[in-house]
Amino acid sequence: DVKVTQSSRYLVKRTGEKVFLECVQDMDHENMFWYRQDPGLGLRLIYFSYDVKMKEKGDIPEGYSVSREKKERFSLILESASTNQTSMYLCASSFGGEGESNEQFFGPGTRLTVL
Amino acid sequence: AQSVTQLGSHVSVSEGALVLLRCNYSSSVPPYLFWYVQYPNQGLQLLLKYTSAATLVKGINGFEAEFKKSETSFHLTKPSAHMSDAAEYFCAVSKAAGNKLTFGGGTRVLVKP
Repeated sequence: DVKVTQSSRYLVKRTGEKVFLECVQDMDHENMFWYRQDPGLGLRLIYFSYDVKMKEKGDIPEGYSVSREKKERFSLILESASTNQTSMYLCASSFGGEGESNEQFFGPGTRLTVL
Repeated sequence: AQSVTQLGSHVSVSEGALVLLRCNYSSSVPPYLFWYVQYPNQGLQLLLKYTSAATLVKGINGFEAEFKKSETSFHLTKPSAHMSDAAEYFCAVSKAAGNKLTFGGGTRVLVKP
């Protein structure tokens, strides 16, 4: 089974802190994604990566950055956390290329609260 | 730009009744379409996907969805709801294999005994 793990299920941070959210997948997937999930808004893409050291902005990248130094690991960084970044953060991964399926496999999520 | 609209943020059904969740999309190219389910305190799990083969797609747990290009719709149905179907359901679209997904706002399903 594909497994996507996230470093924390729940996290509480203070305004202005630097926050790291870690995601690891064990299926050698090329693509990795970070979303935030808010009630009524569904999932919105923050950043994604098609390969090691590559990153592309999603729909809401402001206030976030990412790092992908190894294929299996994709980190989301909040440089200076703010209260409006309180949310559920979901990591996902998928195979790359032009195959029939681009199903994304999701981690369990990290619920971040910024006080 | 792509967009996905799910009609109804909350749906309540009786156990044994039909489940119908509506999804409409806008896409400039033939899309890949997905339905995901999220159970409480869990990540998303794929229910089914449309990738330009059969227009009627069968998924897990008795769910199916029909792609209707003329209506730009991909509605999800299940003939008989079960208590275990209580969850949030998300419709998503992408332009190509391996590409990023655009999600709808989600529909939370409540199943009444």
